Parts: sequence; C-alpha cells; structure tokens
Amino acid sequence: SQQGEEDPQALSIQEGENATMNCSYKTSINNLQWYRQNSGRGLVHLILIRSNEREKHSGRLRVTLDTSKKSSSLLITASRAADTASYFCATGKNEKLTFGTGTRLTIIP
Amino acid sequence: GAVVSQHPSWVICKSGTSVKIECRSLDFQATTMFWYRQFPKQSLMLMATSNEGSKATYEQGVEKDKFLINHASLTLSTLTVTSAHPEDSSFYICSALGLAGSYEQYFGPGTRLTVT
Repeated sequence: SQQGEEDPQALSIQEGENATMNCSYKTSINNLQWYRQNSGRGLVHLILIRSNEREKHSGRLRVTLDTSKKSSSLLITASRAADTASYFCATGKNEKLTFGTGTRLTIIP
Repeated sequence: GAVVSQHPSWVICKSGTSVKIECRSLDFQATTMFWYRQFPKQSLMLMATSNEGSKATYEQGVEKDKFLINHASLTLSTLTVTSAHPEDSSFYICSALGLAGSYEQYFGPGTRLTVT
C-alpha cells in the first residue's frame, strides 16, 4: 500500500500560535488517525476520524477529513512547547495502518 | 489503561547473532498485534501482523525466516531478528489492536536495535 504524504515536512512556530498539518493519501480508507511521536519514543494516539465523518475535535486538536480529495488536516490551537514532536497521519483499512511521512513540529518558547 | 510495553528498550548485538524483542499488552488482551520498523527521521513501515494462535502475516518484502514472530498468548508477541546484520539496525515498534470493533492501535515505546 502506498504511504501518505504529509505537508509540511517540518514546521516551526511561536508558542501560542496555531499549527496546521496536512495529509494526503491514495487509497480508500475506513478511518484516518493522527499520532504523535516524541524523539526516539513510541507513538501516542491523538484522534481517529471515520470515513463517514468530516470533522472531529479533541481538546486543542481539530481534525478534518475530505474523502473526495483524499486529504485530512490536523490543527493544534494555542500551541505549547510540549507539543514539539513528530506528527503522523495513518490511514486505516481492515485494521492495518499505513503511516504518512510525518511532520516535524517545533514550538519555539 | 491500554498500556503496551516492549523489552528490551535498546539492544546492541554482534553481526550473525539473533535478538528477541518482546511486546506485551499489560492491562488488556490483544488478539492482534503489529510489528513496525522505523529508520531515523522516517515513517513507520509495517512489517507483519501477529495473530494469537496463528501464523503471522508478513508484508511484501519482509523476510519471514529472518524476522520470526510468535504470538503465543493474548498478551505477548515476540519478534526475533535472526542472523542480524548491520542493515537490520533500526527502531522496532509494536502495537496492539484495541477493543473489538475499534481501529485504534496502542503502541509500545519501541526497541532500538544496533547490530555491530
């Protein structure tokens, strides 16, 4: 299966600003998930959006999904230094996940 | 809840030896676990799907005789890298599928393998 593409590859913003990351994919999906990975660590699940959903919120996170364009976005509002990490989208099909290339987010205090 | 552990967290071994990595679901039963590898600054690549009580399903291009997977119980899957070579050096991460009908995967903290 083909890996998704994330955009941008790297993003640096000031603390307090909003961060937006985009994910595009190529195949049909059941769901799309976003994960965070701190350097050299495992992944933390952030949010799951099903293919029949268009938008989902969780705390400071907002995820959108456009299945017609095969794209998703993750918005982190009011960023904090602790949000510094790599963020991956993963498309789900039949329980398997295919991860995107990731966005390295750096929050500048 | 939904904690997954991996052991060891890092390991250094000599070329030609075998290394076993354990993945445990600590507070839930996992009939399905996954093994991924991740090279520096790259994404996760799925290696295989591990199902309790049956043979693992390997992704295209992954050598099943080199990466032996055993899922002997509902809380433990093991990955053995046999006859390791320096190119096998990588970050290996396991995950466990959550509740039935849930697509969420719970990830272990990863194991850093260095083959010298």
